[in-house]
Amino acid sequence: AQSVTQLDSHVSVSEGTPVLLRCNYSSSYSPSLFWYVQHPNKGLQLLLKYTSAATLVKGINGFEAEFKKSETSFHLTKPSAHMSDAAEYFCVVTVSSNTGKLIFGQGTTLQVKP
Amino acid sequence: EAQVTQNPRYLITVTGKKLTVTCSQNMNHEYMSWYRQDPGLGLRQIYYSMNVEVTDKGDVPEGYKVSRKEKRNFPLILESPSPNQTSLYFCASSSNLDRLGNQPQHFGDGTRLSIL
Repeated sequence: AQSVTQLDSHVSVSEGTPVLLRCNYSSSYSPSLFWYVQHPNKGLQLLLKYTSAATLVKGINGFEAEFKKSETSFHLTKPSAHMSDAAEYFCVVTVSSNTGKLIFGQGTTLQVKP
Repeated sequence: EAQVTQNPRYLITVTGKKLTVTCSQNMNHEYMSWYRQDPGLGLRQIYYSMNVEVTDKGDVPEGYKVSRKEKRNFPLILESPSPNQTSLYFCASSSNLDRLGNQPQHFGDGTRLSIL
């Protein structure tokens, strides 16, 4: 069965320092993986997606994620945090290509300190 | 502008009073879905629809109904709301082109329901 685990519920960084949000997944077939960001009182916005092409995926706002099959990980990174990056981040895996069903991680809240 | 629009954004109501949350998308997407978001649980799927007149249950469908009479609209109906349905609700849509699982879903801004 497919599942997603976000290893940190809360991450705090200083502005200008690197960001690492960790995600492990479990899937019985080749998954599609996504990272979404949710700012307060807003819906979820797609940051990036992995769909079995390049293992290093570049997204919006300087974020990247690397798909590592051997480690079943899809960690999200950014070289330098900005205050506007403070939000909740969700790692998501597709359960089925036929139904579009998604499994969401529990979310990681990113705090960015001045 | 491509968007998913939910209404209302906020609603406080009482147990047993039927309510409908509307969802509309302007991207001609075939696929639409409803999720609820609860602290510590992420988002869980309530119902989804692959196309007009085609709907199916997600993980937590109890107490909810949906309909898909038109491609752009996918209302969520709570016939007899109860306090355990107090939550933040999101509607989403995506295209069925290519493999559905590869398509990102576009989300509305959410509807916060409080059932007293």
